Amino acid sequence: GQSLEQPSEVTAVEGAIVQINCTYQTSGFYGLSWYQQHDGGAPTFLSYNALDGLEETGRFSSFLSRSDSYGYLLLQELQMKDSASYFCAVPGGAGTALIFGKGTTLSVSS
Amino acid sequence: KAGVTQTPRYLIKTRGQQVTLSCSPISGHRSVSWYQQTPGQGLQFLFEYFSETQRNKGNFPGRFSGRQFSNSRSEMNVSTLELGDSALYLCASGTGTENTEAFFGQGTRLTVV
Repeated sequence: GQSLEQPSEVTAVEGAIVQINCTYQTSGFYGLSWYQQHDGGAPTFLSYNALDGLEETGRFSSFLSRSDSYGYLLLQELQMKDSASYFCAVPGGAGTALIFGKGTTLSVSS
Repeated sequence: KAGVTQTPRYLIKTRGQQVTLSCSPISGHRSVSWYQQTPGQGLQFLFEYFSETQRNKGNFPGRFSGRQFSNSRSEMNVSTLELGDSALYLCASGTGTENTEAFFGQGTRLTVV
C-alpha cells in the first residue's frame, strides 16, 4: 500500500518560517506534490518535486529526498492568509490519481 | 479559461437512495479523478478516468462508480447511500500525461440523513 505521514497541526506567527514534513511509503514513486486548501475551498496546487533537491516558488519552497522517502514544504514570511491545510501527495501515475497525506493545519497568528 | 465545475454544490439525500454527481473538467483535460473528503479520513482517492476508461481505482466499495463521456465530462454515482457517505466530493482534472498539477473543483457537499 501507499501511505504518507505529516504533522496534523502547526502554529506560527506572521513573518516567521515554518516547515511541514512529509514521509511516504509507496510501491512506485513518481514525485511528491503539495496542495493548499483553505476552509471551504478547493485544494490548489503548490509544487511538485520529481527529483531530489529544492524547488522555490516565491515564499514557498519544496524539498525532496528520494533516498530518505522524505520531503518538506517551507513557507517563509508567513502571512495570515497562509492559514490553511497543507497536503502532501504522491501521484499514482501520469494523471490526476493522487494519494494524499492526512493534511497539516497551519494557523498563523499576528 | 474556465475552471473545473462540479454540480450540484450541495445535496441532501436519504439513506438507501442513490446519487449522481457531475464534473466538467477544464477544456482539453482528459484525466478526471474523484475524491472523498471527510474530517476523519482526509482526502481519499476514489477513481480516475482517462479518455473514457477507468485508469486507477481506490479502495472503495462497489456502491461507488463513475464514468467519463467523450467530451471528458465525468459523473460519479453512489448507490444505496449510507450515513457514512456524507462528505465533500471533489473532482480534479488534468492533462493525464504528466505528473504535475491537478486542478480541483469546489466540490459537492453530500449530506445523507
